[in-house]
Amino acid sequence: QSALTQPASVSGSPGQSITISCTGTSSDVGGYNCVSWYQQHPGKVPKLIIYEVNYRPSGVPDRFSGSKSGNAASLTISGLQAEDEADYYCSSCTTSSTSVFGTGTKVTVL
Amino acid sequence: EVQLLESGGGLVQPGGSLRLSCEASGFTFSSYAMSWVRQAPGKGLEWVSGISGSDISTYYADSVKGRFTISRDNSKKTLYLQVNSLRAEDTAVYYCAKVIDDFWSGFLNWGQGTLVTVSS
Repeated sequence: QSALTQPASVSGSPGQSITISCTGTSSDVGGYNCVSWYQQHPGKVPKLIIYEVNYRPSGVPDRFSGSKSGNAASLTISGLQAEDEADYYCSSCTTSSTSVFGTGTKVTVL
Repeated sequence: EVQLLESGGGLVQPGGSLRLSCEASGFTFSSYAMSWVRQAPGKGLEWVSGISGSDISTYYADSVKGRFTISRDNSKKTLYLQVNSLRAEDTAVYYCAKVIDDFWSGFLNWGQGTLVTVSS
């Protein structure tokens, strides 16, 4: 199972909106609504910020939103803040009854 | 409060074995699927294996199939990962993770991880 494809880096200024893409296939992202997104600060444990494409766990700010179209999913961060600087990973279930993560995206707040 | 505490990592020679454990508390352990996710130093996340709450269903990444075995003891609220025939590329921090809802819905809670280093 190949990793889902994410851009290596995305940057934006405080207050701006950025979008991170996550491209898979019809055997994973395109086939199911089980896309999730994780935020990981350096040296920290990953944190779930979006699950089942567009649901936020309790406590996650509504600045974070998710969507999906075809074989690609997206995470949008609106009103970018300094604390959003981190690595972000998407994940999806697959037809093989496995889970696969994306390659990861480093978000830089300028 | 949900807590997951991994243990069992360490330095092992290529071809060696370890048994990783994850003690859970703060939730009804038997009601939730659990997974192991690993992260090699400076690299991204990799899902390794998952198991249903009832222990009936187990799943593995191709990279570890036949070498790793996931199991759980619901009476002890503990998740295990038996890792055999270890290779250098298995060097990573191994996290146990609890799903938020359904088996594949997403991993809400993570432990702090246990480091496995495979080296001669």
